[in-house]
Amino acid sequence: IAGITQAPTSQILAAGRRMTLRCTQDMRHNAMYWYRQDLGLGLRLIHYSNTAGTTGKGEVPDGYSVSRANTDDFPLTLASAVPSQTSVYFCASSLTSGHLNEQFFGPGTRLTVL
Amino acid sequence: GQNIDQPTEMTATEGAIVQINCTYQTSGFNGLFWYQQHAGEAPTFLSYNVLDGLEEKGRFSSFLSRSKGYSYLLLKELQMKDSASYLCAPLDSNYQLIWGAGTKLIIKP
Repeated sequence: IAGITQAPTSQILAAGRRMTLRCTQDMRHNAMYWYRQDLGLGLRLIHYSNTAGTTGKGEVPDGYSVSRANTDDFPLTLASAVPSQTSVYFCASSLTSGHLNEQFFGPGTRLTVL
Repeated sequence: GQNIDQPTEMTATEGAIVQINCTYQTSGFNGLFWYQQHAGEAPTFLSYNVLDGLEEKGRFSSFLSRSKGYSYLLLKELQMKDSASYLCAPLDSNYQLIWGAGTKLIIKP
């Protein structure tokens, strides 16, 4: 693994189904983030984690949950998917959550909820 | 509230210079980032400004005026590969990035 990876690349999901988007980084970064990106809107923060064992809510957390059991992994779960969660989801990481926290992004997961 | 304002789209000619402006209002301020995002790809880091003034990095430069809540990204000697969206993102008092919708830059031969 080099950098930050996400799986799956894309997914079509029936409404009401549970789905977990995976994110793994091998850069030993402390902070990790989940964003969604919709056409015409900026990236919106869903959840974040400043360090392993801690998580926080971003701008649009409803309908999503995360966990950070270790430094490398930061899965995002949709408990019961709805069509409004159709989006491109990006996972990102940064060395710290403070100044100059250049974020490195994964390739994204394109999710369609029908 | 927090707000980022960038032009939606700009067009420029190969070899020319283009300036992409960004105005922002945030709860606190801890610097401003510019990212580049090619269509269908992830954003990648371009620059970071925390003090007023110009930061130059090759063909790209970024300027910040904290008192005016204003930044711009200057791209020189434009190449076709510079066709992308450019995202302005200030860092607020909680060290969270607040993302603009981005400026789509179209480069014409």
